[in-house]
Amino acid sequence: DAGVIQSPRHEVTEMGQEVTLRCKPISGHNSLFWYRQTMMRGLELLIYFNNNVPIDDSGMPEDRFSAKMPNASFSTLKIQPSEPRDSAVYFCASRPGTVQPQHFGDGTRLSIL
Amino acid sequence: RKEVEQDPGPFNVPEGATVAFNCTYSNSASQSFFWYRQDCRKEPKLLMSVYSSGNEDGRFTAQLNRASQYISLLIRDSKLSDSATYLCVVNDYKLSFGAGTTVTVRA
Repeated sequence: DAGVIQSPRHEVTEMGQEVTLRCKPISGHNSLFWYRQTMMRGLELLIYFNNNVPIDDSGMPEDRFSAKMPNASFSTLKIQPSEPRDSAVYFCASRPGTVQPQHFGDGTRLSIL
Repeated sequence: RKEVEQDPGPFNVPEGATVAFNCTYSNSASQSFFWYRQDCRKEPKLLMSVYSSGNEDGRFTAQLNRASQYISLLIRDSKLSDSATYLCVVNDYKLSFGAGTTVTVRA
């Protein structure tokens, strides 16, 4: 079975550029999560969707970050404009219901120069 | 107070040793609990769910104490391959992750 699929796996870009991260959750999972992980701050929840609707975006750092889930099989996390402090590993995760565990994608390693 | 707190370690143990560590949580209404394992530069992976009566999966034993609001993980007969960061996860409508406990098993 296909797991959570994220793209790209790596992204290196200059500050000020727009960055778009993509995620395809596991089919049938109705919750999707975006996380950011750094050495300093650990794993941080940015936003989570339930049935394509954003439920909690309190972890989104600022207006430069936005996330969408236009349908059950696709989500994007966009950073515009990007800054060096956005450099991190961004994980997407999905789960089938409210009490089940999440399954993570491989992550996108983002470096902003 | 953080929602989920873990001893960051590191726990440095020899092969074959037993290592155990806890995680405390603040929301008494939390519904379900999990332990994840994360290797360096990899994604977190589910190790095991934690059930109220306690449960084992091979060399791993998880316990839940709702009265004191903590969960624990015990690793018996540790292997070199058990070296990783173990993340405690508490489900209270969303999933709250602890910062992780680092375990290093040495030969």
